[in-house]
Amino acid sequence: GNSVTQMEGPVTLSEEAFLTINCTYTATGYPSLFWYVQYPGEGLQLLLKATKADDKGSNKGFEATYRKETTSFHLEKGSVQVSDSAVYFCALTLYNFNKFYFGSGTKLNVKP
Amino acid sequence: DTGVSQDPRHKITKRGQNVTFRCDPISEHNRLYWYRQTLGQGPEFLTYFQNEAQLEKSRLLSDRFSAERPKGSFSTLEIQRTEQGDSAMYLCASSLARKQGTKETQYFGPGTRLLVL
Repeated sequence: GNSVTQMEGPVTLSEEAFLTINCTYTATGYPSLFWYVQYPGEGLQLLLKATKADDKGSNKGFEATYRKETTSFHLEKGSVQVSDSAVYFCALTLYNFNKFYFGSGTKLNVKP
Repeated sequence: DTGVSQDPRHKITKRGQNVTFRCDPISEHNRLYWYRQTLGQGPEFLTYFQNEAQLEKSRLLSDRFSAERPKGSFSTLEIQRTEQGDSAMYLCASSLARKQGTKETQYFGPGTRLLVL
């Protein structure tokens, strides 16, 4: 089947620390991969995406590389800020399928 | 604001009552999706429309749930005879599909948080 597995949170970091949130997937076809972010009380916002193997998505200092050989799409940021505190969701969608499959989310807390 | 909007943002109701939520997608988007998100979980797909046609429904969508998109623009999601297990965030998303089967980005609204007492 199709599914996304994310590392469990919460992840607590100090400001300017390096962030990695792991995401692995299983898919019946060739997926596109996404990271969405959800701030408290708000809906999901697209953070970045990659549509084929070895593509790197990037936005606002966040990066993730589509690794087909390891079926992974880990999210990284070199220096986190307090304002990055949110829940991060990894997701996939497939050709001919129109729904997204989401992971369970990873909560990030960044302390000053 | 040209994003996806949802109304109401919050709804508290008593068990057994009917509720209806509205979603207004980004204006040129032809696809519209409904998801449900329970506490501590990622969104789960409920149903989607291409224009006014409802093309897929999840098994999560019991017969108490009905969704419409009568003119291919806004959509409504109705829950009849609500149960406490229906308490969740209901998210709407829209996308522009230019070609059949393309993998397009979905843009999400802020959600409607439902609490059934």
